[in-house]
Amino acid sequence: AQSVTQLDSHVSVSEGTPVLLRCNYSSSYSPSLFWYVQHPNKGLQLLLKYTSAATLVKGINGFEAEFKKSETSFHLTKPSAHMSDAAEYFCVVSDRGDNFNKFYFGSGTKLNVKP
Amino acid sequence: DGGITQSPKYLFRKEGQNVTLSCEQNLNHDAMYWYRQDPGQGLRLIYYSQIVNDFQKGDIAEGYSVSREKKESFPLTVTSAQKNPTAFYLCASSKRTGIKVYNEQFFGPGTRLTVL
Repeated sequence: AQSVTQLDSHVSVSEGTPVLLRCNYSSSYSPSLFWYVQHPNKGLQLLLKYTSAATLVKGINGFEAEFKKSETSFHLTKPSAHMSDAAEYFCVVSDRGDNFNKFYFGSGTKLNVKP
Repeated sequence: DGGITQSPKYLFRKEGQNVTLSCEQNLNHDAMYWYRQDPGQGLRLIYYSQIVNDFQKGDIAEGYSVSREKKESFPLTVTSAQKNPTAFYLCASSKRTGIKVYNEQFFGPGTRLTVL
């Protein structure tokens, strides 16, 4: 069965310091992996996606993630946090082995950025 | 401007009433989805549709109904049978790129439903 575990429900960093949001997944087949960001009372916006090309994926707003098959991880990083990065982040796995590309969502990580 | 629109942004319902949430997309996407979001939880799939006039139940379909009469539109009705409907509802769409293979999902801005 497919599942996603976001290891931290809340992460707090100071502005200008690195961000690390952790995600582990389980998948029976070759997965596609995504990170989305959600600001309060808004829809989800795609940050980046992995679909079996390069394992280091660069996204919008300076975020990147590395697919590590041996560790079944897809952690999201950013070298320097900005106040506008404060939001909730969701890791998502989509399994091509499914009958339908259902998305499996993690429970989310709320990022707080301190001035 | 291409995108997904949801209306209304806020909706209040009295107990025992049915309400319908609108979702429209002009991205020419094949598949559409409805999710429910509760605080501290990830998104849970209510219904999805891969083509017009066809839709399937997701993980939490009880108390909800949908229709897909047009490619652009996928309205969700929250019926009185849904015991705890207060939540944030998100609509999404994605483009088919192969047999049962779809790209990433694009999300609308959401509708917040509150039962009074």
